[in-house]
Amino acid sequence: DIQMTQSPSSVSASVGDRVTITCRASQKISRYLNWYQQKPGEAPKVLIYAASNLQSGVPSRFSGSGSGSDFTLTISSLQPEDSATYYCQQSFNSGMYSFGQGTKLEIK
Amino acid sequence: QITLKESGPTLVKPTQTLTLTCTFSGFSLTTNGVGVGWIRQPPGKALEWLALIYWDDDKRYSPSLKTRLTITKDTSKNQVVLAMTNLDPLDTGTYYCAHRQLQRMRGGVNYSWFDPWGQGTLVTVSS
Repeated sequence: DIQMTQSPSSVSASVGDRVTITCRASQKISRYLNWYQQKPGEAPKVLIYAASNLQSGVPSRFSGSGSGSDFTLTISSLQPEDSATYYCQQSFNSGMYSFGQGTKLEIK
Repeated sequence: QITLKESGPTLVKPTQTLTLTCTFSGFSLTTNGVGVGWIRQPPGKALEWLALIYWDDDKRYSPSLKTRLTITKDTSKNQVVLAMTNLDPLDTGTYYCAHRQLQRMRGGVNYSWFDPWGQGTLVTVSS
């Protein structure tokens, strides 16, 4: 199994701040890494796929980077509506997926 | 527009079998490359991938739950069914189905992710 570890588990930041969330895979996964945003009471929505590709309709303040086993999700200028939990997910093994434990982002 | 919706019991007793149905529209599970997955989320906890079924009836299961899960499809009804045996209170949570998006990108490499998701259905395991 490929284990995904996110850090931090929670973060608190102010509107306008730059926020970075990291995700590490237990083995190299090339760029088979996706990021999701989940707001309370809602289903997750994809933000970034294939490590750095912005899903259509997602604000450009979101970006992803990384390859191999280390990845980051960056929000360049935090907005109030970005309060949510963020998950990384690997898709390296054909059809065998796994998620990170999540990072809860709170707006100060 | 792709939509998915989960349905099934909201309360199940321990040791019983849970059967959930995902009814979808906007795509066909007979189309090459298409897949539908199941993901669950215990209250206040992280997402956990459970199973995936492909257009060609190939199936994948979470290694930790493989012995308890069965995923099937009914293409005539546009449905995917997940069965989970021997339920435990720890299986309580919201169960989501999701469309597996597949895209061929630079270098001819296929990448996949889940989009969109159903609204989820809350299942409580309790006697």
